Amino acid sequence: AQKITQTQPGMFVQEKEAVTLDCTYDTSDPSYGLFWYKQPSSGEMIFLIYQGSYDQQNATEGRYSLNFQKARKSANLVISASQLGDSAMYFCAMRAFQTGANNLFFGTGTRLTVIP
Amino acid sequence: GAGVSQSPSNKVTEKGKDVELRCDPISGHTALYWYRQSLGQGLEFLIYFQGNSAPDKSGLPSDRFSAERTGGSVSTLTIQRTQQEDSAVYFCASSLRLGRGGDQPQHFGDGTRLSIL
Repeated sequence: AQKITQTQPGMFVQEKEAVTLDCTYDTSDPSYGLFWYKQPSSGEMIFLIYQGSYDQQNATEGRYSLNFQKARKSANLVISASQLGDSAMYFCAMRAFQTGANNLFFGTGTRLTVIP
Repeated sequence: GAGVSQSPSNKVTEKGKDVELRCDPISGHTALYWYRQSLGQGLEFLIYFQGNSAPDKSGLPSDRFSAERTGGSVSTLTIQRTQQEDSAVYFCASSLRLGRGGDQPQHFGDGTRLSIL
C-alpha cells in the first residue's frame, strides 16, 4: 500500500523568503512518481512539479524545486522568493507504477500563509 | 476551453435523491479520473478510465456510486440515494496515457461542490 504523510498542517513564511513543505512517503514499489499540487482558496488543483523515482536530479520548475531524498523517502517542496499569491493548500501525491495503481495517493495537505 | 470542465460547479440536494456530475476532459487525454475531497482532507480516488479498457472502480465507496465515459471523452459520475456523508467536492482529472516507465501529470477541473441536506 502507498501512503503519503504531510506533518505540517500549517506554515507561515515572510514574503520573499524561501519555505520548505515536508512530504514523506511509503511504498514497496521500486518505481513511482511524486507530485505536488497547489489548491488556492478558490478550490482548483494546480499541478506544480513532478519527480520520478529514477530521476537522477531534483526536479525544478521556476521558483519550485523538489528536494528528493530517496533513501529517506522524502520529497519536500521548496518555494523560493515567496509571493502573496503562494498562500494556498499544498498537497503531495504519489503514484506507484509497478503495482498497477492508476490513481494518485494524496497527503492531507499543508496550508501555507505568506505574510507581507 | 483548454482545461478540464466540470458541471455543475455547485449542487445542493436532499438526502435520498440521485445526482449526476459531469466532466469534459482535455481534448486528447485518454485517461480520466474521479476523486473526492471531504472537508479538510486530501483527495480520495474513486474511479479511473483509460481509453476503451474496463474502468478501475477500486475506489468507489459503495454500489450507490457509478460512472461512465461515453465515446472516450465526457464522463458522468452518478450517486444514487445520496447520503449526508456524500457531501464533498468531486474533482475530475485527465491526463495523457499512463505508462509504467514514467508518468504524466493529472490536470484537474475546478470541482463540483456537492451538499446533501
